[in-house]
Amino acid sequence: EEQLLESGGDLVQPGGSLRLSCAASGFICSNYGMSWVRQAPGKGLEWISAISGGRDNTFYADSVKGRFTISRDNSKNTLYLHLSSLGVEDTAIYSCATRIGVMLVWGPGTLVTVSS
Amino acid sequence: DIQMTQSPSSLSASVGDRVTITCRASQGITNYLAWIQQKPGKTPKLLIYAASTLQSGVPSRFSGSGFGTDFTLTISSLQPEDAASYYCQKYDGAPWTFGQGTKVEIK
Repeated sequence: EEQLLESGGDLVQPGGSLRLSCAASGFICSNYGMSWVRQAPGKGLEWISAISGGRDNTFYADSVKGRFTISRDNSKNTLYLHLSSLGVEDTAIYSCATRIGVMLVWGPGTLVTVSS
Repeated sequence: DIQMTQSPSSLSASVGDRVTITCRASQGITNYLAWIQQKPGKTPKLLIYAASTLQSGVPSRFSGSGFGTDFTLTISSLQPEDAASYYCQKYDGAPWTFGQGTKVEIK
């Protein structure tokens, strides 16, 4: 069964950095495009970044471009999101997800809180 | 980018009612459409993908339909635990986009 599990969420001060991990199981994540999505308190869902399968092309929403970096470690079958220059507006549940054929797989999410 | 338009933005219904939420894509997305449930303080939960495939463990009162640009989420008999916000999501390619959400309240 294809599964994703995020980790790394924490309380961080404004201006700080954090690295989120998304461990894949049941499939080889390097073969598929993968995305990060977030939901801030009281707000809707927002796609923030993606990495393509194979060539590792990367894509970012304007709201995080230049501050967040998506990457993948194929040896660990794990997706990452490095967050930097964090602001209170980045407080959210961060989830990773992937499309395998027409199937969509979501992880349960990890909470990032930016506060002093 | 493809825009996803959801309606209504909110609704209030009684337990046992049939509830329908619609989602329209600004361009065709074949069946790369998912429905996500979000309860306050909880992580998002995938209900349906490929427009009509029920995620494992999701009650059968939830169903989805549609293809191309017009999609529907139906709750056949609303239950108290279905009070939540529901989002449609297109996932055919980056960027993924989401509808604005529909807040479902129980009368």
